[in-house]
Amino acid sequence: KNQVEQSPQSLIILEGKNCTLQCNYTVSPFSNLRWYKQDTGRGPVSLTIMTFSENTKSNGRYTATLDADTKQSSLHITASQLSDSASYICVAPSGAGSYQLTFGKGTKLSVIP
Amino acid sequence: KAGVTQTPRYLIKTRGQQVTLSCSPISGHRSVSWYQQTPGQGLQFLFEYFSETQRNKGNFPGRFSGRQFSNSRSEMNVSTLELGDSALYLCASRGTENNSPLHFGNGTRLTVT
Repeated sequence: KNQVEQSPQSLIILEGKNCTLQCNYTVSPFSNLRWYKQDTGRGPVSLTIMTFSENTKSNGRYTATLDADTKQSSLHITASQLSDSASYICVAPSGAGSYQLTFGKGTKLSVIP
Repeated sequence: KAGVTQTPRYLIKTRGQQVTLSCSPISGHRSVSWYQQTPGQGLQFLFEYFSETQRNKGNFPGRFSGRQFSNSRSEMNVSTLELGDSALYLCASRGTENNSPLHFGNGTRLTVT
């Protein structure tokens, strides 16, 4: 069964601190994994996509990694800001077509002053 | 380019009623998918339409239905509403490029009383 599991479910950190969110996937066949950020009351927005060809990718203060051997992806946030408070969702396509997606339940991050 | 637009933003209905939600995708996007989001359950896939045809369907009862028009706009209908249907309903469109991301609207918050 295709699955994407995220940890932790929720996280509270102080502004300025770093944090790492985890995503374990068991989808077949695997082609890529995408991270989305969802602010409260808004729809998710794509942060980055990870494929076999790149195991590390940075987008500002966000760095995503992919380990195909352990089937894990992580999202590291550096020097957190209050605006980083959001839910972070990882998603992987699965099944016969790339339009079939498996969603993680997300990690709710709260950054407090 | 204008983003994905969902209407209405908020809706309150009573049990047994029916509701229709609307979604206008990004111009040029022919794929529109719908999701139900509840606390603790994450994003649950409802269905996807591509060029007016339902391409994929999630595990929801037949009370949930949708359609897509020739201009790619989509509607979702829920009949005989139940209290458990209270949720944020998100619509997303995507382009035809390989690995293209989902572009989400800000959702319709449905409350069933």
